[in-house]
Amino acid sequence: DGGITQSPKYLFRKEGQNVTLSCEQNLNHDAMYWYRQDPGQGLRLIYYSQIVNDFQKGDIAEGYSVSREKKESFPLTVTSAQKNPTAFYLCASSIGGPVAPQHFGDGTRLSIL
Amino acid sequence: GDSVTQMEGPVTLSEEAFLTINCTYTATGYPSLFWYVQYPGEGLQLLLKATKADDKGSNKGFEATYRKETTSFHLEKGSVQVSDSAVYFCALRALNAGGTSYGKLTFGQGTILTVHP
Repeated sequence: DGGITQSPKYLFRKEGQNVTLSCEQNLNHDAMYWYRQDPGQGLRLIYYSQIVNDFQKGDIAEGYSVSREKKESFPLTVTSAQKNPTAFYLCASSIGGPVAPQHFGDGTRLSIL
Repeated sequence: GDSVTQMEGPVTLSEEAFLTINCTYTATGYPSLFWYVQYPGEGLQLLLKATKADDKGSNKGFEATYRKETTSFHLEKGSVQVSDSAVYFCALRALNAGGTSYGKLTFGQGTILTVHP
């Protein structure tokens, strides 16, 4: 079945560590996105990529980095510069265009030890 | 900037009750509008969408009509079930200055719905 796979489902980070969240899609979508979800705040866009080897900052990119070396993969690194990383992280993809819906993975919950 | 405002929750209903979750928006131009649903511990699933004024999106008994004059996209269902218990997000995708869209979604804060037997 086609879809988006995020791993791991739960992730723990020690203070001062960088951690990388995986997102893989086999939907052949050009565009991919990373969102952060905090209780009562909806989703906020961290980074997005419309095509391989290109990506742009979203609304809350500070303390995060991404790469898009392959069409199917869009990993997110939460760096030690992100002072409040505990959250639920969601990856999404779409075929692009103004009306195409975004398809979401099941998310990764990151917690600080 | 673009924004979406949803009615505050949580919303608690009995099975077979009528559901309305209000959503209003502010955006430049003519946005596309979406409702997503999130079940516990999962990602978001697209529930329905509308891309122009007066369009009605519908799926699984849920409906929402794109009202440009009131900038609203309220979600309704005539008879809710326990299995509808979830968090519901209203979202929009607006056009950028060039008249095209890069696909960014702006979300409301979400409304928690709990349905009791």
